[in-house]
Amino acid sequence: QSVLTQPPSLSAAAGQKVTISCSGRTSNIGNNHLSWYQQVPGRAPKLLIYENNKRPSGIPDRFSGSKSGTSATLGITGLQTGDEADYYCGAWDSSLSAGVFGGGTKLTVL
Amino acid sequence: EVQVVESGGGLVQPGGSLRLSCAASGFTFSTYWMTWVRQAPGKGLEWVANIKGDGSEIYYMDSVKGRFTVSRDNAKNSLYLQMNSLRAEDTAVYYCARAWALDFWGQGTLVTVSS
Repeated sequence: QSVLTQPPSLSAAAGQKVTISCSGRTSNIGNNHLSWYQQVPGRAPKLLIYENNKRPSGIPDRFSGSKSGTSATLGITGLQTGDEADYYCGAWDSSLSAGVFGGGTKLTVL
Repeated sequence: EVQVVESGGGLVQPGGSLRLSCAASGFTFSTYWMTWVRQAPGKGLEWVANIKGDGSEIYYMDSVKGRFTVSRDNAKNSLYLQMNSLRAEDTAVYYCARAWALDFWGQGTLVTVSS
């Protein structure tokens, strides 16, 4: 059971938009920054979004992040087959004094 | 170019020990928090431990407290994870990653705990 909650899987057609949700508590998402990671099978995770809504250099603006209260959302527009991957949210938990991740969302592009 | 490269994984018996290393390059290592994250086969990411740039603050997930020790040698640009009293449930790919946001990850090193 992960501390942060994500839907296990989502699917959408190429070219469409998808949103992936991540819910938590005040001690993690509510009071700390949230990040999103993309992991293609067999590869290391890659940072997509940090500090809730900022994109690292090289990440296209098709990827966006938002946060409200104890929930956050990753948005991906113009879906491409290359976006098929597992997506994880992560944050610091002030009560646990530890980092926490969501269980991951497997995105299928139809 | 920022790089982090893990090493030291392998097969170990339950109750045994292993020391993982992470060699960093391309950035001022001593100014960054560093984190260990693991991923059991077919499972999601699990945060393990992190350490401040100067080593003055260290945090662990509950299930490894007292068994794992994270350390760093800033003169060698290296991060370490000493793992003792290993259990089958510690079997995973172990990644090191830079900073609070985990902005750069290594390729991981596989630790298998089995008799």
